[in-house]
Amino acid sequence: QKEVEQDPGPLSVPEGAIVSLNCTYSNSAFQYFMWYRQYSRKGPELLMYTYSSGNKEDGRFTAQVDKSSKYISLFIRDSQPSDSATYLCAMSALGGSQGNLIFGKGTKLSVKP
Amino acid sequence: GAVVSQHPSRVICKSGTSVKIECRSLDFQATTMFWYRQFPKKSLMLMATSNEGSKATYEQGVEKDKFLINHASLTLSTLTVTSAHPEDSSFYICSARGLGLAGGQGTQYFGPGTRLLVL
Repeated sequence: QKEVEQDPGPLSVPEGAIVSLNCTYSNSAFQYFMWYRQYSRKGPELLMYTYSSGNKEDGRFTAQVDKSSKYISLFIRDSQPSDSATYLCAMSALGGSQGNLIFGKGTKLSVKP
Repeated sequence: GAVVSQHPSRVICKSGTSVKIECRSLDFQATTMFWYRQFPKKSLMLMATSNEGSKATYEQGVEKDKFLINHASLTLSTLTVTSAHPEDSSFYICSARGLGLAGGQGTQYFGPGTRLLVL
């Protein structure tokens, strides 16, 4: 079993839809969780980061972590064509220099106008 | 804050030549820098991790004599692809992490990537 599982998609939704992106993981030691957005031919851009369980909201984006289920989600409300990109989840067990990130393979999202 | 730049953004070279890619943290000191490789429509593949002033740690299967990494300062790391061949053509992305950044010390900030084409 891979440490981090992420459905690669592609996921296609109409403009304005609510998008749900998910990752599951197997390492119960993971405590730091991040979501990156990568546009085609660009480097990943940090979107959200959370520590341990709970929710975090930033504008149209909400990140959720359920450590009991080893499941994290990113919700995008009122999706826009500009949200079309690949979304990567990432996580680590420790902070600081001891915590290298483990990435999911990324989910490709397409928001149709 | 937390801006990482890469140079060049694109490079085309002949087979057998060497290519150097620079990665700079512009507004923070990077305690650790990472080099990734990404093929079209594929996920990030970590090549190596480097700490300032130390030798890089390479992932399994990555040839350290072919992909030379130097992390001479807290703001600069370089990746040199030696004797490049067409199969080395790829998208190379660096990332960096440092102290006092949003998201904590474990968060990585990525550069825009360098597209290498070896003819």
